[in-house]
Amino acid sequence: AQSVTQLGSHVSVSEGALVLLRCNYSSSVPPYLFWYVQYPNQGLQLLLKYTTGATLVKGINGFEAEFKKSETSFHLTKPSAHMSDAAEYFCAVRKGGATNKLIFGTGTLLAVQP
Amino acid sequence: GAVVSQHPSRVICKSGTSVKIECRSLDFQATTMFWYRQFPKKSLMLMATSNEGSKATYEQGVEKDKFLINHASLTLSTLTVTSAHPEDSSFYICSARVLAGDTGELFFGEGSRLTVL
Repeated sequence: AQSVTQLGSHVSVSEGALVLLRCNYSSSVPPYLFWYVQYPNQGLQLLLKYTTGATLVKGINGFEAEFKKSETSFHLTKPSAHMSDAAEYFCAVRKGGATNKLIFGTGTLLAVQP
Repeated sequence: GAVVSQHPSRVICKSGTSVKIECRSLDFQATTMFWYRQFPKKSLMLMATSNEGSKATYEQGVEKDKFLINHASLTLSTLTVTSAHPEDSSFYICSARVLAGDTGELFFGEGSRLTVL
């Protein structure tokens, strides 16, 4: 069965600092992995995804994530935080089979301090 | 990217009434849509998978008679919360899979916040 663990429900960084949001997954099959961002009272927007191929995935707004099979991790990073990055971030793994169900982590609230 | 729209974005109702939330794929056809529920400061919980032209598939613990799902066309799925109670207050989000060229990506609606008084 697939599952996702996000370490740290709250992360606070200074503007311009490195952003690192952690995600570890469990999957019995090669995983499809996703990062989504949610702004208050809004739906989810896809930041990036890993399906196959290159393990370093670049997404929107300067974010990237690296799939590390040996560590079962898919951490999200951004070299320099911006105030507009403050939001909730969710890591997700696609459940096996053709249903396309996504299993979400518990989310990490990113705060960016001026 | 594909656009998924939900309506209404906010709804307040009295206890005991029923509320319908619509989820539309605006520029693509979706054979499958998903309904999620999000509690305050919590993750998204998958409620059910909505399949066009057939019955929805509910996740364990979700009352199908409480949360009625109808997927009457390739662009519309509806979630009806029947006899709503305050504990049903939540943020409901739908998502849809693109019919063709599937890459595993789901597109999400903006969410609908339900408040039951």
